[in-house]
Amino acid sequence: AQSVTQLDSQVPVFEEAPVELRCNYSSSVSVYLFWYVQYPNQGLQLLLKYLSGSTLVESINGFEAEFNKSQTSFHLRKPSVHISDTAEYFCAVSAGGTSYGKLTFGQGTILTVHP
Amino acid sequence: DAGITQSPRHKVTETGTPVTLRCHQTENHRYMYWYRQDPGHGLRLIHYSYGVKDTDKGEVSDGYSVSRSKTEDFLLTLESATSSQTSVYFCAIKDGWWAGGYEQYFGPGTRLTVT
Repeated sequence: AQSVTQLDSQVPVFEEAPVELRCNYSSSVSVYLFWYVQYPNQGLQLLLKYLSGSTLVESINGFEAEFNKSQTSFHLRKPSVHISDTAEYFCAVSAGGTSYGKLTFGQGTILTVHP
Repeated sequence: DAGITQSPRHKVTETGTPVTLRCHQTENHRYMYWYRQDPGHGLRLIHYSYGVKDTDKGEVSDGYSVSRSKTEDFLLTLESATSSQTSVYFCAIKDGWWAGGYEQYFGPGTRLTVT
């Protein structure tokens, strides 16, 4: 079984400042890792994913995440945030093989960007 | 847009009544999932389906049943609604592995209130 821990429930930050949202996971098998974003009163959107290969993955809107197998982490970073990045962010893990692609989510981190 | 719709989008019901939520997809995806979202818990898997009439339980399946009689529809039924089932319910889809499907895509959600 997998588990995901998002270490911060809320992260306030000023516009144009850097931000890091932390995610740790546990699993006895190889995993696929995802970050989803949820804007107020909307569904979840895939932000980025790690399947294999390069441990640094990037999104189209400037976010990046690095898979660290030894620390079982998949932290999300952005060097300069914008007001529009205000949202809730979810880290999720899926085991490969016969897991049917089931996702285990973290508790979520609310990112609030202040002007 | 993964072509997922959920109905109804909002529902208020009384304790003890049965409730059915519908998830409809238009792109012939093999896997479908039902999650519930609650503050502090992220999203938790209720049930999932890996084909027509093929379903299985997730992490929080007590009090819920599902059916999938055709590829495009996945129904979630609360047999006798309780106040603890007040939540936002999300449907998600995923392609099969052979189609390169690793990530899930989510519908807009159904907000259910049990009074």
